[in-house]
Amino acid sequence: QVHLVESGGGLVNPGGFLRLSCAASGFTFSDYYMSWIRQAPGKGLEWVSYISDSGSTIHYADSVKGRFTISRDNAESALSLLMNSLRVEDTAVYYCARDIGIASAFDIWGQGTMVTVSS
Amino acid sequence: EIVLTQSPDFQSVTPKEKVTITCRASQSIGSSLHWYQQKPDQSPKLLIKYASQSISGVPSRFSGSGSGTDFTLTINSLEAEDAATYFCHQSSGLRSTFGGGTKVEI
Repeated sequence: QVHLVESGGGLVNPGGFLRLSCAASGFTFSDYYMSWIRQAPGKGLEWVSYISDSGSTIHYADSVKGRFTISRDNAESALSLLMNSLRVEDTAVYYCARDIGIASAFDIWGQGTMVTVSS
Repeated sequence: EIVLTQSPDFQSVTPKEKVTITCRASQSIGSSLHWYQQKPDQSPKLLIKYASQSISGVPSRFSGSGSGTDFTLTINSLEAEDAATYFCHQSSGLRSTFGGGTKVEI
């Protein structure tokens, strides 16, 4: 069974930081591009960042560039998102997702982890 | 940034009805357009990839068409389980974007 399981969400003050993790199982993690996508409460989906299979290519949405850092550990089948200088508008459910190709469609999604930025 | 505009925002339908959702891109994206279904408190599910390519396990009543800037998701003979929000997603270029979503209520 192919699975993605996110963790690390929680309540954090504005200006704070948080590290999200995504554990992959049931497939060869190192063969796939991976992304983080978020969804603010009651809102639509927003792509946040993607990382290539080797980790050599990374891109970010303008809204998080310079504050968030995506990384992966292929030996551990793990994806991470380090979020710094958090803002109230970063409040959302964060999903990790598997890309079917190179910056393509997302065929496997985790259950999501909630990040709340509030004082 | 490529902006995707979905319409309608909301649609109330009856079972067995045909549903059509459109997605318009702010610039040509070829066939790099994908469709997802999201039910309440669930993660999105991929329905259609590259505008019209079917996904294994997705019922055949779901189909997609279009290219360039105008795309359509069609649900033939809607079933009660199809009540959900549907999103389009473009993967042309370096940064993905999503449409605002269409909520289908039965």
